[in-house]
Amino acid sequence: DVKVTQSSRYLVKRTGEKVFLECVQDMDHENMFWYRQDPGLGLRLIYFSYDVKMKEKGDIPEGYSVSREKKERFSLILESASTNQTSMYLCASSGQGIGSYEQYFGPGTRLTVT
Amino acid sequence: LAKTTQPISMDSYEGQEVNITCSHNNIATNDYITWYQQFPSQGPRFIIQGYKTKVTNEVASLFIPADRKSSTLSLPRVSLSDTAVYYCLVVLKAAGNKLTFGGGTRVLVKP
Repeated sequence: DVKVTQSSRYLVKRTGEKVFLECVQDMDHENMFWYRQDPGLGLRLIYFSYDVKMKEKGDIPEGYSVSREKKERFSLILESASTNQTSMYLCASSGQGIGSYEQYFGPGTRLTVT
Repeated sequence: LAKTTQPISMDSYEGQEVNITCSHNNIATNDYITWYQQFPSQGPRFIIQGYKTKVTNEVASLFIPADRKSSTLSLPRVSLSDTAVYYCLVVLKAAGNKLTFGGGTRVLVKP
């Protein structure tokens, strides 16, 4: 069974803090993704990575950066957290071929920025 | 670029068939459509995927008409445990593999 784990289920941070969200997958997948999920807006892609040290912007990359130093780990970084980044963050991974392979999602991290 | 839209919610009863339509203009003949199911406090889970006319697996069917402007997820004989939010995902190869999720359809199955 594919397992995608996220470092925290719940996180509370203050405005201006630097926040790291970690995601690890155990299936040797090439592709990894970070989404945010907000009521009424569905899932929106922040960044994805198709290989180590490679990254591509998604629909809403502003205010975020990512890091993929190892194949199994994909980190999302909020350089200076703001209240409008309060959201559910979901990580996913998939095999080769962005569209043609199913994505496996982690359980999500609910981030609150106060 | 394609905008992917779904109904916000629908109700059904145990044992009925549920059909959820996702509208997505401008998708190519080899663009994949994928459907996910999400329960509260969990990440989405894969249900079915395809790019051709009809795909069926042990839990659902996916129908894509010839004009490819929509696709329909069909859940046969739903049970209470099928109450969830269902998302469609379209990946546009011509747009550099742009991923576009629909807004999700909340399905409530009643006894």
